[in-house]
Amino acid sequence: NAGVTQTPKFQVLKTGQSMTLQCAQDMNHNSMYWYRQDPGMGLRLIYYSASEGTTDKGEVPNGYNVSRLNKREFSLRLESAAPSQTSVYFCASSWGPGELFFGEGSRLTVL
Amino acid sequence: GQQVMQIPQYQHVQEGEDFTTYCNSSTTLSNIQWYKQRPGGHPVFLIQLVKSGEVKKQKRLTFQFGEAKKNSSLHITATQTTDVGTYFCGSFGNEKLTFGTGTRLTIIP
Repeated sequence: NAGVTQTPKFQVLKTGQSMTLQCAQDMNHNSMYWYRQDPGMGLRLIYYSASEGTTDKGEVPNGYNVSRLNKREFSLRLESAAPSQTSVYFCASSWGPGELFFGEGSRLTVL
Repeated sequence: GQQVMQIPQYQHVQEGEDFTTYCNSSTTLSNIQWYKQRPGGHPVFLIQLVKSGEVKKQKRLTFQFGEAKKNSSLHITATQTTDVGTYFCGSFGNEKLTFGTGTRLTIIP
């Protein structure tokens, strides 16, 4: 089983460019999440989706948008990238309030 | 989510020594989860605790949930080089999981 798949694994952007991080899970999970990880800051929740058709803000949503395209897919969009968005992004999914399954991460650098 | 503070931020131990990381909250937690992230990897679920005073063991790892459900700990006995990584606690609230800042464990051979 693939589990949670994120693309791309690496990306370099210039300030002001836009991009979308893709995430798909094949475990039929209802809930999906986007986190960012910065040194010393742990994992901070950007947006989450408790079920298909719903999305909610997490701790650090500014500068991001999300789309829960269907039950499998949850994408994260940066409309105008800033150097402060340089980070490692993780997508995760779960059956409600249980174990989270993480993707391998997407390393984004904004110059 | 439910806010959790995690200490220490870093821990260096000699191989064979014990290691403990703590999570604390000012409010009662509905549950606590623990994850391990190897260097360069992604977080991997270790365990979930939901009951007051709960203690669970996985080989050399012992997990505890406080009686008041405001704190939790992860204790590793006789650390090995394979234990290297960052250990995160997290708690579910309002349909989302909020993580502590993690404890990065380094093993000195």
